[in-house]
Amino acid sequence: EVQLVESGGGLIQPGGSLRLSCAASGFTVNSNYMSWVRQAPGKGLEWVSVIYSGGETYYADSVKGRFTISRDNSKNTLYLQMNSLRAEDTAVYFCARDAPWGGQLVGKEYWGQGTLVTVSS
Amino acid sequence: DIQMTQSPSSVSASVGDRVTITCRASQDINSWLAWYQQKPGKAPNLLIYVASSLQSGVPSRFSGSGSGTDFTLTISSLQPEDFATYYCQQANSFPVTFGQGTKLEIK
Repeated sequence: EVQLVESGGGLIQPGGSLRLSCAASGFTVNSNYMSWVRQAPGKGLEWVSVIYSGGETYYADSVKGRFTISRDNSKNTLYLQMNSLRAEDTAVYFCARDAPWGGQLVGKEYWGQGTLVTVSS
Repeated sequence: DIQMTQSPSSVSASVGDRVTITCRASQDINSWLAWYQQKPGKAPNLLIYVASSLQSGVPSRFSGSGSGTDFTLTISSLQPEDFATYYCQQANSFPVTFGQGTKLEIK
């Protein structure tokens, strides 16, 4: 059974750093396409980043240069290192496994339960 | 960036009703569109991918159609568990973008 479990969220001051983890089971992270998606309180979904099975990464402009997506194959875990955090980064952060289809990532087929990051002084 | 616009933003309907939600892309995205359902406090759930393909395990009362810039999600006969918020997402190019959501409420 595929499972994704996020951790690492919490309250952090503006300008601070936090690393989110997403522990996967039932499949191998490094053989799949993995994303982070966030949702500010009461708001819609916002894509944050993706890492391809080959290691290529992409970021939303709003986090580029501040966030880094990575994975640890030995721990079968996805990470999101978040630096220079701002109030507008406050959100529930979800990790998700993307479904590839004909060379395109066509949807996020498995999701974790999310972890809340609150950036506030 | 490709902007995704859903309509309506909210809709009230009754059990057994047929409901259609639309999603418009700001440029041609071929059929690279997904639909999700999200219930309060839960992660989104993939319903439809490539505009009209039903994700495994999703009831057949859900269907999707469209290509290019205009897409629809139809629920043929609403069930109590279908009251939720629905999002479209374009998968044509980065950055991936979502619609603002459509909240489906009980009338």
